[in-house]
Amino acid sequence: AQKITQTQPGMFVQEKEAVTLDCTYDTSDQSYGLFWYKQPSSGEMIFLIYQGSYDEQNATEGRYSLNFQKARKSANLVISASQLGDSAMYFCAMRGNAGGTSYGKLTFGQGTILTVHP
Amino acid sequence: DTGVSQDPRHKITKRGQNVTFRCDPISEHNRLYWYRQTLGQGPEFLTYFQNEAQLEKSRLLSDRFSAERPKGSFSTLEIQRTEQGDSAMYLCASSSGQSVGKDGYTFGSGTRLTVV
Repeated sequence: AQKITQTQPGMFVQEKEAVTLDCTYDTSDQSYGLFWYKQPSSGEMIFLIYQGSYDEQNATEGRYSLNFQKARKSANLVISASQLGDSAMYFCAMRGNAGGTSYGKLTFGQGTILTVHP
Repeated sequence: DTGVSQDPRHKITKRGQNVTFRCDPISEHNRLYWYRQTLGQGPEFLTYFQNEAQLEKSRLLSDRFSAERPKGSFSTLEIQRTEQGDSAMYLCASSSGQSVGKDGYTFGSGTRLTVV
């Protein structure tokens, strides 16, 4: 079974500052993928960044970077230079071995609400 | 292709009524997933289709829930005899299964169900 834990129900950050959203995971799969999604109040899930379990370098996508520490089973999202439009719910998710019985489904954490203050 | 479409966006129904939601995935995607998201929680997996075959169903999918994907294209999720606990956002996602990197999944905007 896979589990994602996001321990921060809410986070606040000042505009233009950086913020780190925590995510820890648990899985018995050797091959897995970790995702971060943003969900604004409108409800759609917006893909932000992906890290494969065998990727040696931390993933980066623009202002988003993923601090992947495999031994500690953590995959924290770092948002640099926060903007007011970053205010939303953020979800960490894991995909198990898509070729196995997990069929590539995602397991999500409970989310962190990020509020960016001007 | 404009992405994954879900219809309706919102549905209000009385307890005990049946409801049906539709998901149109990206045309070349053979994998389709349904998730349920209650307020303030992360989405939970409901069921998975590979082409027209329903390969996995979560324990969350009670006997009142049924999903289909005829011809491996669009999918429908039906809830019979709705209960207030069914109130949630129902999300559909599709993927090609070829890559699960950043292009791996595309989510629809969801159908928000309110049972009164």
